[in-house]
Amino acid sequence: AQTVTQSQPEMSVQEAETVTLSCTYDTSENNYYLFWYKQPPSRQMILVIRQEAYKQQNATENRFSVNFQKAAKSFSLKISDSQLGDTAMYFCAFMNLGAGNNRKLIWGLGTSLAVNP
Amino acid sequence: EAQVTQNPRYLITVTGKKLTVTCSQNMNHEYMSWYRQDPGLGLRQIYYSMNVEVTDKGDVPEGYKVSRKEKRNFPLILESPSPNQTSLYFCASRHTGTGGYEQYFGPGTRLTVT
Repeated sequence: AQTVTQSQPEMSVQEAETVTLSCTYDTSENNYYLFWYKQPPSRQMILVIRQEAYKQQNATENRFSVNFQKAAKSFSLKISDSQLGDTAMYFCAFMNLGAGNNRKLIWGLGTSLAVNP
Repeated sequence: EAQVTQNPRYLITVTGKKLTVTCSQNMNHEYMSWYRQDPGLGLRQIYYSMNVEVTDKGDVPEGYKVSRKEKRNFPLILESPSPNQTSLYFCASRHTGTGGYEQYFGPGTRLTVT
């Protein structure tokens, strides 16, 4: 069974600095997607960034980028120039694209990030 | 505006009183899903639907029912709610074809069963 592990329950960073959130996953599949979702205090789940497993290039979205290490099964999120609005719970999620499954998201337990002024 | 809506946003009810949480999406998505979020347990899938009239159990389906009579709607039904169903519930939707697999989430429904 696939699992997703986020080893940092809580982190903090000063405004304008850079922070990296860790995520590791366990799978025997080769075709999958990885996601980072953000859940601010409003509780809305918002997609931050996604990575296709067959793409070697790391995904970037403005201040957000990932370090995808397929062999190590690692998918960390880097937030550059942190802003107060980045304060949220961040979830790493895995989706197996293999045939015969409902392609559900498998979630880590989250990392609570506080951006301090 | 593309969105997933859920109603109600907050609900306090008593054990055994049947309730329905509605979910509607305006993006013509085939796939819809319900999750519950609990502290220390993360998000767990309750039920999902690949298309109209096609539903299946997720990881924690006990005590819940769903239906998919229209493509846009996917209500979650608790026939006899119990306190262990107190949770934050999310509805989500996406296309089933290739292209990103991004799931769009509703705003959540905070349910308390006393």
